[in-house]
Amino acid sequence: GQQLNQSPQSMFIQEGEDVSMNCTSSSIFNTWLWYKQDPGEGPVLLIALYKAGELTSNGRLTAQFGITRKDSFLNISASIPSDVGIYFCAGRLSGTASKLTFGTGTRLQVTL
Amino acid sequence: GAVVSQHPSRVICKSGTSVKIECRSLDFQATTMFWYRQFPKKSLMLMATSNEGSKATYEQGVEKDKFLINHASLTLSTLTVTSAHPEDSSFYICSKSGDYNEQFFGPGTRLTVL
Repeated sequence: GQQLNQSPQSMFIQEGEDVSMNCTSSSIFNTWLWYKQDPGEGPVLLIALYKAGELTSNGRLTAQFGITRKDSFLNISASIPSDVGIYFCAGRLSGTASKLTFGTGTRLQVTL
Repeated sequence: GAVVSQHPSRVICKSGTSVKIECRSLDFQATTMFWYRQFPKKSLMLMATSNEGSKATYEQGVEKDKFLINHASLTLSTLTVTSAHPEDSSFYICSKSGDYNEQFFGPGTRLTVL
């Protein structure tokens, strides 16, 4: 099935640094979701975006729905050790029902 | 708190046996639930959409006779992996839709087929 291109694939950062990751597609999406997955667990919803240009924050996390509706980014400010995990974007294609397409994931490692 | 539960959390079985995984909506009814499979260090791949009271909708390449889905009640969907083989070993995760078409995921089930 189709997957979204997510970058970077992985990143190693120091505690306190800001993090940025993005998701791009050749198709138009009408919903963008960002999830975090810890090892051996299901993904947990972080932020949901529903309108082009929308910018939404959840604590230290900020995500934006791209104007073209083909991309989205997630920023994490002042990273802490518990931010370690895999971050997935997910999108719902225009004209589809409830199905989500997932990004390839960004693995975040935080060093002290 | 969690809105979706899965049981069991992990299962080990012999090749050729069948395994049933349960997915429950804990807060509200869920007429639609989703089943995903995730291989190590890979993303989630949608297997099928489970519809209460009707047949599941399978994604291309997913064998419906191999992965039986039953959504017999408004809060329970089950996935049965029939005649499991080692290549079926994976992390199986279910989800339900929220009020705004977001999806909430269960904790996953780790299946190991020997």
